[in-house]
Parts: sequence; structure tokens; C-alpha cells
Amino acid sequence: NAGVMQNPRHLVRRRGQEARLRCSPMKGHSHVYWYRQLPEEGLKFMVYLQKENIIDESGMPKERFSAEFPKEGPSILRIQQVVRGDSAAYFCASSPLVQGASGNTIYFGEGSWLTVV
Amino acid sequence: EDKVVQSPLSLVVHEGDTVTLNCSYEVTNFRSLLWYKQEKKAPTFLFMLTSSGIEKKSGRLSSILDKKELFSILNITATQTGDSAVYLCAVRANSKLTFGKGITLSVRP
Repeated sequence: NAGVMQNPRHLVRRRGQEARLRCSPMKGHSHVYWYRQLPEEGLKFMVYLQKENIIDESGMPKERFSAEFPKEGPSILRIQQVVRGDSAAYFCASSPLVQGASGNTIYFGEGSWLTVV
Repeated sequence: EDKVVQSPLSLVVHEGDTVTLNCSYEVTNFRSLLWYKQEKKAPTFLFMLTSSGIEKKSGRLSSILDKKELFSILNITATQTGDSAVYLCAVRANSKLTFGKGITLSVRP
């Protein structure tokens, strides 16, 4: 899982600012997932992306949150006008194969810890 | 909505003990069940299970899946303090993993 690179590892934002979290998947992986982990909670799915496409964003809040995975460069999770409740660990994961294939696992990055003050 | 329930929520044991961690699930279009270990950072992959009754083993850890009863167990034998972590169970259905809340295991010397 060391191959999934996330930055920044820690980010502090004031309420109302924007947070941008970046994720570079493992080499050869073209599928990226974002998960959020609140204190004492499990990982909650947010969004699943392939290059230039959002495949499933059913876990993404409808407002202030957006994600992209451009043809070149890392995937970005963007949170606008952050509020205290956005404070959490945001994990990115990647996999090499299309959805539905049971033979491939998902590897996680080290996470980005967002603190909103 | 897909659901994954882990039990117990937390567990304290002494070194050398054997522990069994449980995971039950209700999902549509089940693909696989995965176990991860999380120690204050990224979840580390342990096992992926797709077929019932076939035990996966890695050192002191083993896991098995029952697709009829919709559950899996993760066993750790001869526990060590380094096994202290949160153990996450996740079920892959369609495009995403649905996680349980995790089981916090503390192994005392």
C-alpha cells in the first residue's frame, strides 16, 4: 500500500477555506477511490473514479465536495468552505481493474488528516 | 443499503492468547470480502476471500468466509503486542468497498 501516495499528510484549514487533497495511485492502477474516516467510525465510501470519469459518487456530500481524476496528474478531492465537521482522515485507494472483478484488491494510501479550526 | 457489522467492537487479550474476530454482512451483488489491519495510518491489506469454506492463512493469521450464512472470521493465534490494531472488514459489491466500524484489538504483554 506504500505505492498509493497522498499529500498533504496533514492539513489545517480555517472554517470557510478550501481544502485540496491529492492522490497518486499505485503504478499501473487506473481506478481511484476516496474514503473518509471520522473519529471512532469506520471508513465511509465517498467516490470512485477512473481517468477523466466519475463512476460512482454516491457517498459524496452533494454540496462543497468534488473530486476529479484528470488524464494527467493525481486525483484531487476538493472541499470548499470547510466546516468543523469536515475534520477527518481522508484515505485514497487504488486498484488495477474494472469494477466487479473479484480478483483484485484495493490498496490504500497513508491518508490525509484534515483539521478544521 | 449494504451493511457490514463487526463484533466485538473491542477486545483486550494477553500475549499468547488466540482471538476470533467476526464480520457479518448484507450486501447485494457480493464480489469479495476483505480484511485490513489499521494502526493509526493506512489500512494494510490482510486477506481477500471470495469462496466459501476455503481458509486463507498467513503466519498466525487465518480467515474463512461463509457465503451461505454471510459472515467471515479472522483468527489470530499466539497474539503479540504488535497485533494491537483496528481490524477492518470490508465487502466489495459493484464499484466500492463497504466497511464495518472495525474491531479494536489490544494485546497486553
